[in-house]
Amino acid sequence: GEDVEQSLFLSVREGDSSVINCTYTDSSSTYLYWYKQEPGAGLQLLTYIFSNMDMKQDQRLTVLLNKKDKHLSLRIADTQTGDSAIYFCAERGRASGTYKYIFGTGTRLKVLA
Amino acid sequence: DVKVTQSSRYLVKRTGEKVFLECVQDMDHENMFWYRQDPGLGLRLIYFSYDVKMKEKGDIPEGYSVSREKKERFSLILESASTNQTSMYLCASASGGGTEAFFGQGTRLTVV
Repeated sequence: GEDVEQSLFLSVREGDSSVINCTYTDSSSTYLYWYKQEPGAGLQLLTYIFSNMDMKQDQRLTVLLNKKDKHLSLRIADTQTGDSAIYFCAERGRASGTYKYIFGTGTRLKVLA
Repeated sequence: DVKVTQSSRYLVKRTGEKVFLECVQDMDHENMFWYRQDPGLGLRLIYFSYDVKMKEKGDIPEGYSVSREKKERFSLILESASTNQTSMYLCASASGGGTEAFFGQGTRLTVV
């Protein structure tokens, strides 16, 4: 079945770049996502990439997709303390004539001042 | 502005109780989802629905049921709550052809 894997923790210094990695198994996924969850809150969409793209940039965020290796990464440039959160990778897969969203375990990013 | 609202932020229930978690969306979305979130396990799909009165099992449906009588409302039911159902529950909705899922703020359920 579908599976999405991420490392659980990442710690970086303020001002450095953060890179969060993810691998997925469903090669038919058309969309791949990065969601952010701040303490005590629901998930908020950060960015997504369509499967026929290799890269997407949005201000401090860069998403890289290697479809051959089924590898997705999120790079946050100039990481700030406000970026401390849990980051979830997700893929959209087909299910019963509609779609469902499969999430990874989440990577807890800690930004050190 | 897009809104998915879960009826409670925090809930404490006793073992064996029947528990209802409610979720309402105001975006006329066809698809609605219930996930539970546990540390180290991420979000796991319990049930989803793609239309009124239609439901599909996700990865961990045991001990849960759902109801979707109206398009905007999707309810998760714990038939007989157990301590291993203590968790954060997240509801989401998405349009049939849309790209993203929108999430509610979550309900932290404790079963004692």
